[in-house]
Amino acid sequence: QLVLTQSPSASASLGASVNFTCTLSSGHSSYAISWHQQQPDKGPRYLMKLKSDGSHNKGDGIPDRFSGSSSGAERYLTISSLQSEDEADYYCQTWGAGIVVFGGGTKLTVL
Amino acid sequence: EVQLVESGGVLVQPGGSLRLSCAASGFTFSKYWMTWVRQAPGKGLEGVANIMEDGSAKYFVDSVKGRFTISRDNAKKSLYLQMNSLRAEDTAVYYCARLDGSGWAVDYWGQGTLVTVSS
Repeated sequence: QLVLTQSPSASASLGASVNFTCTLSSGHSSYAISWHQQQPDKGPRYLMKLKSDGSHNKGDGIPDRFSGSSSGAERYLTISSLQSEDEADYYCQTWGAGIVVFGGGTKLTVL
Repeated sequence: EVQLVESGGVLVQPGGSLRLSCAASGFTFSKYWMTWVRQAPGKGLEGVANIMEDGSAKYFVDSVKGRFTISRDNAKKSLYLQMNSLRAEDTAVYYCARLDGSGWAVDYWGQGTLVTVSS
């Protein structure tokens, strides 16, 4: 069964960098994923699609501060030069058994 | 500009029915898979149902199989979710979303519509 695992929380200081990890379950290490941001009391926003080779395609208007990379079954989202508006929940997403599948999300606190 | 606008969310009693709609604009609707995603209060995102470009293939999460139906009208650029036998655990914000050209990655989201199932 396809499962995406994310840490529930992360924190970093204003102006610093932060990394998020999304781990694909056994047997699914070649899957591509996408990353989404959900700011408080807002709908989600697509950030990027990330392949197993680390190549990624960002959504419209997503700043260069957001980047992605991959290693084995892990997919990463890095945000550099953190700003207050980056405080949000971050979800990874892929596809399994015909429907979209999401990780549990990581809540980012900007200190 | 891609826009997805949901409507139809209301308070409904357990066992009741509801139809959600999503009006799409800014892209060729008939060329994309579409999906419904929900988010229960204080919880994460959950994929509910997907539908192929021409409506010939549909997929559902196990928890809604037999109760929910997804459909689309490409002439009207609209997506629908028919929800029957509603339960308290169906209470959530329901988002309409587009799947990109690969057919699996969500690349645009609507603003969501709230469905509350309660007596």
